[in-house]
Amino acid sequence: DAKTTQPPSMDCAEGRAANLPCNHSTISGNEYVYWYRQIHSQGPQYIIHGLKNNETNEMASLIITEDRKSSTLILPHATLRDTAVYYCIVRVSNAGGTSYGKLTFGQGTILTVHP
Amino acid sequence: DGGITQSPKYLFRKEGQNVTLSCEQNLNHDAMYWYRQDPGQGLRLIYYSQIVNDFQKGDIAEGYSVSREKKESFPLTVTSAQKNPTAFYLCASRSGLANYNEQFFGPGTRLTVL
Repeated sequence: DAKTTQPPSMDCAEGRAANLPCNHSTISGNEYVYWYRQIHSQGPQYIIHGLKNNETNEMASLIITEDRKSSTLILPHATLRDTAVYYCIVRVSNAGGTSYGKLTFGQGTILTVHP
Repeated sequence: DGGITQSPKYLFRKEGQNVTLSCEQNLNHDAMYWYRQDPGQGLRLIYYSQIVNDFQKGDIAEGYSVSREKKESFPLTVTSAQKNPTAFYLCASRSGLANYNEQFFGPGTRLTVL
């Protein structure tokens, strides 16, 4: 699986957009970008994933650059409850092969949303 | 409500004792996973199971054991052979039918060895 690089921490004002970057310069053609988040002392929560097109769901938007070497997770109107560690993960979409769906979590970005 | 439950939420163990952490899911998912998380660190895979009666070692399986006798249950035993068992343990599951890798996580069990 390709390695990812994220800033260790970011701040955001409540009600503003939070833009979390992720670099994945060694990504392969069949690897997807996944985003999870973990609120303190809870299990991680899936947010969104994408291959090369931009994606949007009820939680967030995912913008992937044309060369796919980086991406940005956007929380359009951050709330205090969005304070969490955000993980960017790159891997193949299916669960086949030797990795059997394993998710490799790095240290992520600590997003703090303040009033 | 469908989901994953883990029990207990907090667990204390004396050194040298084995302890079993429970993980149950009613999502009808085929695959289940156990991860360990240490303070300020990401998750590391301990064991995973793709189907009933089959499981495989992850990256840090030493000192741990699992069983998968039922689809909905994947208990993890932390044995006395695990040198540093104090950690936050997370169980996850994934649908075998999913064409992408969304894993659903339980609330976790925080194990402390006294």
